[in-house]
Amino acid sequence: DTGVSQDPRHKITKRGQNVTFRCDPISEHNRLYWYRQTLGQGPEFLTYFQNEAQLEKSRLLSDRFSAERPKGSFSTLEIQRTEQGDSAMYLCASSFQGTDGEQYFGPGTRLTVT
Amino acid sequence: RKEVEQDPGPFNVPEGATVAFNCTYSNSASQSFFWYRQDCRKEPKLLMSVYSSGNEDGRFTAQLNRASQYISLLIRDSKLSDSATYLCVVVHASGGSYIPTFGRGTSLIVHP
Repeated sequence: DTGVSQDPRHKITKRGQNVTFRCDPISEHNRLYWYRQTLGQGPEFLTYFQNEAQLEKSRLLSDRFSAERPKGSFSTLEIQRTEQGDSAMYLCASSFQGTDGEQYFGPGTRLTVT
Repeated sequence: RKEVEQDPGPFNVPEGATVAFNCTYSNSASQSFFWYRQDCRKEPKLLMSVYSSGNEDGRFTAQLNRASQYISLLIRDSKLSDSATYLCVVVHASGGSYIPTFGRGTSLIVHP
């Protein structure tokens, strides 16, 4: 399967803990996006990369959220000091540069903060 | 006002019906537009791009009205398998970046 993959698929953590999610995009795609989706809402854009450069991060929800894509391939999203309000589905997507709306999504990581 | 607005529905229609969804956007400088489909507990999948001249893909037709700042999706001859949430996406440029904004989605239920 050469689609977008995410790991883990589910994560349960206690409030205050740090969590890190991984996304492996389609190998030919140079753009990678992170979103958060809560029940009944559409995906909420968080940040994106073009190769290893993070081009937009002002939409990250707080300074507890950070993302990296060190070699321009896979990416990680870290949430520090998790709060119950962070419970959501975190989606990753990838695309070719210049086709920003034509994105291929991974299955997501469902985070539950207890 | 939200950047992208959709009626959440649900739209409950019988098989074979024609159904249309609208999506309004607030940023007049928005550059590109798309419809995605999301099945329950699944990731969104691109359904179609929306071009200024309108475009059609089988039973699906998408249109853009820049003057009134909305896009539409028309589904003809609805199938049970069309039941899903339909998300509109609007991309706008911001400081050299291209930001995709999703609507909250419109739920469609097609019944026998």
